[in-house]
Amino acid sequence: DQQVKQNSPSLSVQEGRISILNCDYTNSMFDYFLWYKKYPAEGPTFLISISSIKDKNEDGRFTVFLNKSAKHLSLHIVPSQPGDSAVYFCAASARSTGANNLFFGTGTRLTVIP
Amino acid sequence: DGGITQSPKYLFRKEGQNVTLSCEQNLNHDAMYWYRQDPGQGLRLIYYSQIVNDFQKGDIAEGYSVSREKKESFPLTVTSAQKNPTAFYLCASSIYSGNTIYFGEGSWLTVV
Repeated sequence: DQQVKQNSPSLSVQEGRISILNCDYTNSMFDYFLWYKKYPAEGPTFLISISSIKDKNEDGRFTVFLNKSAKHLSLHIVPSQPGDSAVYFCAASARSTGANNLFFGTGTRLTVIP
Repeated sequence: DGGITQSPKYLFRKEGQNVTLSCEQNLNHDAMYWYRQDPGQGLRLIYYSQIVNDFQKGDIAEGYSVSREKKESFPLTVTSAQKNPTAFYLCASSIYSGNTIYFGEGSWLTVV
């Protein structure tokens, strides 16, 4: 059973506009959330994370929002650039339980159109 | 440069053969992981190790084996018992388990 879900397999956005990637989770024990970016035939690169004690974390053009009541997080990229075109994975873990596993979504392919 | 090195990048294996994928890290991380990615799917955990000489099965450990004799190294053996071994394999590490993990560049395994 998929505990982390990315329901949009793909997203296309014009350069300069905002990209919003969404992620839902089912396990209420998750308390740490991450976003990774992946180019073809390469390993994922860590982008940004957020702890459940926060509802927003910002790093340059990337902002992650967490809505715990809805079990939903989103990644905003503003402004979007062609180099942002990649597959984005969200991931979650239950660090407070001592669990060791990161659970990954299936990814959303972002295409930024010049 | 600090990082995670996987080798080989591309590997072809005949059916019935075992093959070992190498993973080395110089980040001084305690925890190491092996994930598998199939097309259209997320990353699935094969094995992880929190500390030297200790490792645990992940979600899809059947047909795989690992060892952790050194902190820096976590090789993965894909055995002939693995029914669908063709995939992209990713090694990762974290400073301690449950924290942000960092990935290597991946290894493509194709069974011919």
